[in-house]
Amino acid sequence: DGGITQSPKYLFRKEGQNVTLSCEQNLNHDAMYWYRQDPGQGLRLIYYSQIVNDFQKGDIAEGYSVSREKKESFPLTVTSAQKNPTAFYLCASSYTGGQGFHEQYFGPGTRLTVT
Amino acid sequence: LAKTTQPISMDSYEGQEVNITCSHNNIATNDYITWYQQFPSQGPRFIIQGYKTKVTNEVASLFIPADRKSSTLSLPRVSLSDTAVYYCLVGDEGLDSSYKLIFGSGTRLLVRP
Repeated sequence: DGGITQSPKYLFRKEGQNVTLSCEQNLNHDAMYWYRQDPGQGLRLIYYSQIVNDFQKGDIAEGYSVSREKKESFPLTVTSAQKNPTAFYLCASSYTGGQGFHEQYFGPGTRLTVT
Repeated sequence: LAKTTQPISMDSYEGQEVNITCSHNNIATNDYITWYQQFPSQGPRFIIQGYKTKVTNEVASLFIPADRKSSTLSLPRVSLSDTAVYYCLVGDEGLDSSYKLIFGSGTRLLVRP
C-alpha cells in the first residue's frame, strides 16, 4: 500500500528534551511538509521541502529543525527552544512541478505532550 | 496568498444537502480553490478542487461564481460520518515554485440523526 506514515502516534517528553518525529512516504512525492495543529485551530506550516537536501522555513519554524537526506523521509526535531511544543503534528507530501495546485496527502499525525 | 473566511460551525441532519460557503475576496488569477476534510485526531483529506464554474466528484460538488471571490462546497445527502471540520484553501505555486497551504480555522459540520 502506498501512503505516508508517522510514528509514534503518541509521544511524551519532559521539558528541556529534544524529540524527533518520524515521517516516511512511499508515494514517490518530491515535496514534504510539517504542520502543527493546536486544539480547535487550523494547521500551521512549520517546514517544507521540495527536494532532497533542501528545505524552507514555514510560518512557525522557530524551535524546530528538519532534515531531508532521503526522498522518502522528512524527520522533524522539536528542540528545547520551542516554547510550547505540546501539539498535534502532521506530516504531508505532494507532487511538485507543473501548473496549479497539487493535492497534499497527510499522515495520521503524532500527538506530542511535553510536561 | 489569499485569505479565506468560512462559517465557524454548521448543523445539519442526515439526508440533507449541506452547502458551506467560503469567501476569498483577494483570490489571484492563478489561484485554485481546494477543500479538505478533517476528522478528529486525523490528518486532513482532500475532497475537491476547482478553478472556475462547477466541479463534481463522487463525494462533493464545488460551485465557483464568475468573479471567483467565493466558492461553495456542496455535500449531498450527508450522513453522520460527514461530521468533521472542512477547510477551504486558496493558492497556487509561488514565484519560487514553492507550494504552501494556509489553513484557517475551518467549518465544523455537525450532522445529527
